[in-house]
Amino acid sequence: QITLKESGPTLVKPTQTLTLTCTFSGFSLSTNGVGVGWIRQPPGKALEWLAVIYWNDDEHYSPSLKSRLTITKDTSKNQVVLTVTNVDPVDTGTYYCAQKGLGRALGYWGQGTLVTVSS
Amino acid sequence: DIQMTQSPSTLSASVGDRVTITCRASQSISSWLAWYQQKPGKAPKLLIYKASSLESGVPSRFSGSGSGTEFTLTISSLQPDDFATYYCQQYYIYPWTFGQGTKVEIK
Repeated sequence: QITLKESGPTLVKPTQTLTLTCTFSGFSLSTNGVGVGWIRQPPGKALEWLAVIYWNDDEHYSPSLKSRLTITKDTSKNQVVLTVTNVDPVDTGTYYCAQKGLGRALGYWGQGTLVTVSS
Repeated sequence: DIQMTQSPSTLSASVGDRVTITCRASQSISSWLAWYQQKPGKAPKLLIYKASSLESGVPSRFSGSGSGTEFTLTISSLQPDDFATYYCQQYYIYPWTFGQGTKVEIK
């Protein structure tokens, strides 16, 4: 059974760095073709893809946020970490991590974690 | 970036209706398109991948079609559990992009 769960702060002040952790089970991020991505959703708005990291350390970022995002993986801990620097109130929303399988889309999602950016 | 445009934005339908949602890409994405269902306060759920492949466990009343720039999600007979928001997503090229969503409401 594949599960993913996001964790991190619920409230962050503007200009601070947000660090989110995705802890997963039921698959390995060393398996050929597997990736874990981050997607966010501002309240009442559409989904926005942020970043993805693959089994072979390949990384891709949203160009509009690339300068502020870093995605890393710890295969031994079954974790993927996303850092967002210099946060702003527009970064408020629910952040999801999701697994991408070979040839498939984002098939398994975490429950999401709501992050509010406010002073 | 590839723009994904869904239509309609909102759809009012009754139980038993056949429902079709359209997703258009600003350039060809071959068949690298997925459809998700999202209910309030919940994570999206994958319904269809690679334009027409039904995700395991998803009811057969859901189907997807299309290739290139035009795609459709069809629900053959709308059920009470299907009232939700639906998103398309291209994963042909980075950055991956989502449509703006289609909310299916009770008529």
